Amino acid sequence: ETGVTQTPRHLVMGMTNKKSLKCEQHLGHNAMYWYKQSAKKPLELMFVYSLEERVENNSVPSRFSPECPNSSHLFLHLHTLQPEDSALYLCASSQESGTGPEKLFFGSGTQLSVL
Amino acid sequence: GQNIDQPTEMTATEGAIVQINCTYQTSGFNGLFWYQQHAGEAPTFLSYNVLDGLEEKGRFSSFLSRSKGYSYLLLKELQMKDSASYLCAARDSNYQLIWGAGTKLIIKP
Repeated sequence: ETGVTQTPRHLVMGMTNKKSLKCEQHLGHNAMYWYKQSAKKPLELMFVYSLEERVENNSVPSRFSPECPNSSHLFLHLHTLQPEDSALYLCASSQESGTGPEKLFFGSGTQLSVL
Repeated sequence: GQNIDQPTEMTATEGAIVQINCTYQTSGFNGLFWYQQHAGEAPTFLSYNVLDGLEEKGRFSSFLSRSKGYSYLLLKELQMKDSASYLCAARDSNYQLIWGAGTKLIIKP
């Protein structure tokens, strides 16, 4: 397998559920990202892990919790979500150099629906 | 604040040429990216410009004017498979990406 893979592709959950999104990159990159994509809105950066250290976006609610056990794997743990959290969640990876990240490689995303 | 503007939707005819514009306002500038995203799929990298001018890559070209805060993506000899959303993103002085909302391109036979 090559590139960036995300599971599951689709997820429907109730507001009281706990679920996790998984991302795996096979590109040897040193940075991984979670983005939220809502219809007709710009991509929203949620979290960045660079060299396995987390750079957090302070505007992300605590009901979203990332985990990066190693440079190839990234998780997004979800609990007590709200209907407005329904969106496409994209994982991406890149190689970070001394001048910042190079181009991003995205997974196909998890389409999340919160009921 | 930082902002990217691009048209929400465009329509073009198969075999024709279309230009998708992007204007940006960022704190500093370290390059501009274009990505293509087919419905239900991952965004994929198309081009990167950091210097003024035109970068050509097959049927796709990307142009940058730093003084005007302006870029465009030019698609020639349009094919039905070019129907997709095209995302513009500028990198600011902290190397953070500022994204546009994307332009949905509809190709008609």
